[in-house]
Amino acid sequence: GAVVSQHPSWVICKSGTSVKIECRSLDFQATTMFWYRQFPKQSLMLMATSNEGSKATYEQGVEKDKFLINHASLTLSTLTVTSAHPEDSSFYICSARGSRRPGDEQFFGPGTRLTVL
Amino acid sequence: AQSVTQLGSHVSVSEGALVLLRCNYSSSVPPYLFWYVQYPNQGLQLLLKYTTGATLVKGINGFEAEFKKSETSFHLTKPSAHMSDAAEYFCAVSGVAGGTSYGKLTFGQGTILTVHP
Repeated sequence: GAVVSQHPSWVICKSGTSVKIECRSLDFQATTMFWYRQFPKQSLMLMATSNEGSKATYEQGVEKDKFLINHASLTLSTLTVTSAHPEDSSFYICSARGSRRPGDEQFFGPGTRLTVL
Repeated sequence: AQSVTQLGSHVSVSEGALVLLRCNYSSSVPPYLFWYVQYPNQGLQLLLKYTTGATLVKGINGFEAEFKKSETSFHLTKPSAHMSDAAEYFCAVSGVAGGTSYGKLTFGQGTILTVHP
């Protein structure tokens, strides 16, 4: 099956610094990529959707200036958490889909654990 | 807006017993429906999905689910549990008509399945 990787798998940073998380589709072209956030013992919450070459669409309540998303190529999307604070600590998961059709499968990365001290 | 409810955050079965994980959805238009499984330290993996056609869908690892429009349900079953089925299972819906939920997955809270020898 299609593979999606994330890097890094975990990161610890100081409050006020920025952190970049990469999401790559390894063996297919990802027309659409998604970023989710998962709190402990809770479900995945969609943060934003990005289509290659277009600006990301953010879900209500997600600060677009804090969570910068770039989808510059068909195999790479990045999430940058700017001026991170302890409340941004979470598990961030990306997924990728080879089309814009809603019935097509999203392939998920293994996630990135962010801890902000 | 669409939503998903999974009844039971934890389900425990004996090896060889029937597995039943419940999922109900709320949507103004019947959505596409998915079941994903998450093993520790791995990304979500698609088990099965319903888009159109036959309402009983079969997935990987012996799992199947039936879409019941009248009950707004998409319960996941497996006739005989195996130790390797122990994982967390997520039900998700994707909007199919226009609107803010088009093509986006909304996840349930997840159900942790434990299989006892």
